[in-house]
Amino acid sequence: DVKVTQSSRYLVKRTGEKVFLECVQDMDHENMFWYRQDPGLGLRLIYFSYDVKMKEKGDIPEGYSVSREKKERFSLILESASTNQTSMYLCASSRGVYQPQHFGDGTRLSIL
Amino acid sequence: KNEVEQSPQNLTAQEGEFITINCSYSVGISALHWLQQHPGGGIVSLFMLSSGKKKHGRLIATINIQEKHSSLHITASHPRDSAVYICAVRGSTLGRLYFGRGTQLTVWP
Repeated sequence: DVKVTQSSRYLVKRTGEKVFLECVQDMDHENMFWYRQDPGLGLRLIYFSYDVKMKEKGDIPEGYSVSREKKERFSLILESASTNQTSMYLCASSRGVYQPQHFGDGTRLSIL
Repeated sequence: KNEVEQSPQNLTAQEGEFITINCSYSVGISALHWLQQHPGGGIVSLFMLSSGKKKHGRLIATINIQEKHSSLHITASHPRDSAVYICAVRGSTLGRLYFGRGTQLTVWP
């Protein structure tokens, strides 16, 4: 079975901090995705990556950056955390663009 | 405007009832997914379909490409079916997923 592991289930940070969310997949998938999920809005795509060192903006990239130095790891970075970035963050991976995505358990991030 | 609309937003049922969740979309798609999210956050894929109907246990998913509509049915619902059910469509270009806002299903014993 595919395993997508997010480094933290719950995280509390302060406004202005630089925050790193880590995601690791163990199935050699080319594609990785970061979403945020907010009540009433559903999942929204922040960034995705089709290959190592490649990244593409999703629908809401402002305030975020990503890093993919190795195929199995995709990091989401909040450069200067703000309270409106309090949310559930979900990472996903897939073998190909048209293959099903496999999701991690999510990180519930609170910015105080 | 959301490319994917789900209804209802919330659904409560008694154990044993037949459940239907609907999904309509406005973009050209290569496939439609039904996902399940339990409390705690993890999302699992239930179905991926591009035509017709698929069945897995008590779950049935149908899609009508011409009408741009899909339904997820749960027969003989059980409290363990309580979860958020999410419809997602895969765009025909780039393969991006567009998500509905989810349907919160609660099944009472």
